[in-house]
Order: sequence, then structure tokens, then C-alpha cells
Amino acid sequence: GAVVSQHPSWVICKSGTSVKIECRSLDFQATTMFWYRQFPKQSLMLMATSNEGSKATYEQGVEKDKFLINHASLTLSTLTVTSAHPEDSSFYICSLGRANEKLFFGSGTQLSVL
Amino acid sequence: DAKTTQPTSMDCAEGRAANLPCNHSTISGNEYVYWYRQIHSQGPQYIIHGLKNNETNEMASLIITEDRKSSTLILPHATLRDTAVYYCIVRVVSGGSNYKLTFGKGTLLTVNP
Repeated sequence: GAVVSQHPSWVICKSGTSVKIECRSLDFQATTMFWYRQFPKQSLMLMATSNEGSKATYEQGVEKDKFLINHASLTLSTLTVTSAHPEDSSFYICSLGRANEKLFFGSGTQLSVL
Repeated sequence: DAKTTQPTSMDCAEGRAANLPCNHSTISGNEYVYWYRQIHSQGPQYIIHGLKNNETNEMASLIITEDRKSSTLILPHATLRDTAVYYCIVRVVSGGSNYKLTFGKGTLLTVNP
């Protein structure tokens, strides 16, 4: 059955607005979640590692003030794209799992910024 | 994590076996080989993983060479729904929190009727 629930599946917003994407763990308590983004015809690029109760760790080149990550509980992590612009249009995917085991992925969120 | 090399694309006839190769010549002794696939506009789906021995599950088989420098994912009877990008990833499985997956470009497998 599904392990990860990601919402919304798609969102269209105006330039300058903020968008929040939720990632929920359904089967177990996830102390760590990962956020990826994927541009058309490209591979997944890791954006940040979300740790419950602490600050997220961002990959090089990812603006932490633009992509706010909150991991307030063991079952929920959120990614907020602040002041979105057309270049932020992308497919965003969350991932979670226990250490030493396989990782599961959400179904992804297609963000389109007009 | 060790880098992997995969062909950009492959074709396979429906009902035939699909054999997807992956080179990981710099793999370390404590790194596993993982395979995921991504169907268009969906999140990646786990297929199989292994360390040294060949592995088989309901989806596929994984053949790892004795020197562990390469592996092959085998889909025994490919269907049209197996058309996807297949990613071969090697990573350390540790007790720490840094067990992220780093994706390469993968292989686009197209299953033809």
C-alpha cells in the first residue's frame, strides 16, 4: 500500500505568490524526508534533506530562504516555494524511508507559475 | 556515492525480456546497487536492490557481476506498462540520516507492441 502521500498533485499560481506542498508518511515515523525537483526531460535533483525538529540541510545552489522546509512532526514535512516565479515551475517530489531500507517516493507535485 | 553509467535509451518488444545494464566501476564494498523506475509524471518506484548476490522479486531480477563493477536489471516479460526511465543508483546504507539517493540520467526503456 501507499507509504507516502503528497499533495497537491498539481498547482497553478501567479508569479509572486507562495505555494505549499505537503508530504505525509502514512506507515511509519519518518525522522528524515528528502525533497527533489525535476525539470522536463531531466533527472531528479535533490534540493534538501528535511529533519524532524531541526533545520533542513540544503544542497549547494538551493536557496533556503526561497524554499522553506518545515518538518514539525514525524509524519509531515512541507515545502513552501516563496515568491514563486516562472523559473520555479517544476515537478517537486518528496521521499522518505528508514535508514538501511529502501526509500519511497511521493507521487509528485507539478507546479506551474504564470 | 559512486557514479553509474547507463545507456540513454533502449527498446524492447512486448513479451520479451528487457535487460538493462549499469556500470558502477568505482563502487565501494559497503555500497548497494538500487534500481528505481519513473513512469512519466509520477514519482520513482522502487524495483530491487542488492549488494553481492543476485536478487529476484516479483518485479525483476538483479544480476551483479562478481567484481561488482556492473549489474543488469532483467524484466523477464516486458509489457507496455514497463515503459519508463530506469535509474541505477549505488549508495551506502548506513545508520545515519544521510541515506539520500542521487539520481543519474537513467535509461529510457520503450516497450513496443
